[in-house]
Amino acid sequence: ELKVEQNPLFLSMQEGKNYTIYCNYSTTSDRLYWYRQDPGKSLESLFVLLSNGAVKQEGRLMASLDTKARLSTLHITAAVHDLSATYFCAGITSGTYKYIFGTGTRLKVLA
Amino acid sequence: GAVVSQHPSRVICKSGTSVKIECRSLDFQATTMFWYRQFPKKSLMLMATSNEGSKATYEQGVEKDKFLINHASLTLSTLTVTSAHPEDSSFYICSARDSSQGQGSYNEQFFGPGTRLTVL
Repeated sequence: ELKVEQNPLFLSMQEGKNYTIYCNYSTTSDRLYWYRQDPGKSLESLFVLLSNGAVKQEGRLMASLDTKARLSTLHITAAVHDLSATYFCAGITSGTYKYIFGTGTRLKVLA
Repeated sequence: GAVVSQHPSRVICKSGTSVKIECRSLDFQATTMFWYRQFPKKSLMLMATSNEGSKATYEQGVEKDKFLINHASLTLSTLTVTSAHPEDSSFYICSARDSSQGQGSYNEQFFGPGTRLTVL
């Protein structure tokens, strides 16, 4: 059974700093997804990672996938206040299309 | 493209009443939709997988008779919370998988905006 864990759960950082959110999963996941959620809102898709070594970047966010280590990372470069949100990773259970979400990381960027 | 709507966005009801939430894929067909529940400051919990033309598949611990799911067309799934109680208050989010996605695709789910249910 696929299990997905994220750390840290909470992250408070200064503007301009870099940080990484980690997403570990327990068994094979065909794909790895990253989402952003603002308070009171639904999920906004950030990245879909398909294969080992995949790296995707959008603005100050960069996601990578290491299937051998069963690890995905979301790296934040030079954080700005607008990045404050909760970030979720999700793996997918093979053959069922079901997403298994991580615990989420609440990011607060302090001005 | 790939837009999913939910209606209503917010509903307040009295204890004991039933509430229906609609989830529609607006620009694609979805044989499979998913219903999630999210408590404040928590992750999304998958409640059930909704399959067009057949019975929904519920996750362990989710009461089938409490949360009725109907997926009558390729673009619409409904979740009915029957005899709602205050503990059913939550944020309900649906997602839909584009049926045209084949092998090697992203297998991506597209999420609706969510429905906030408050049971008094």
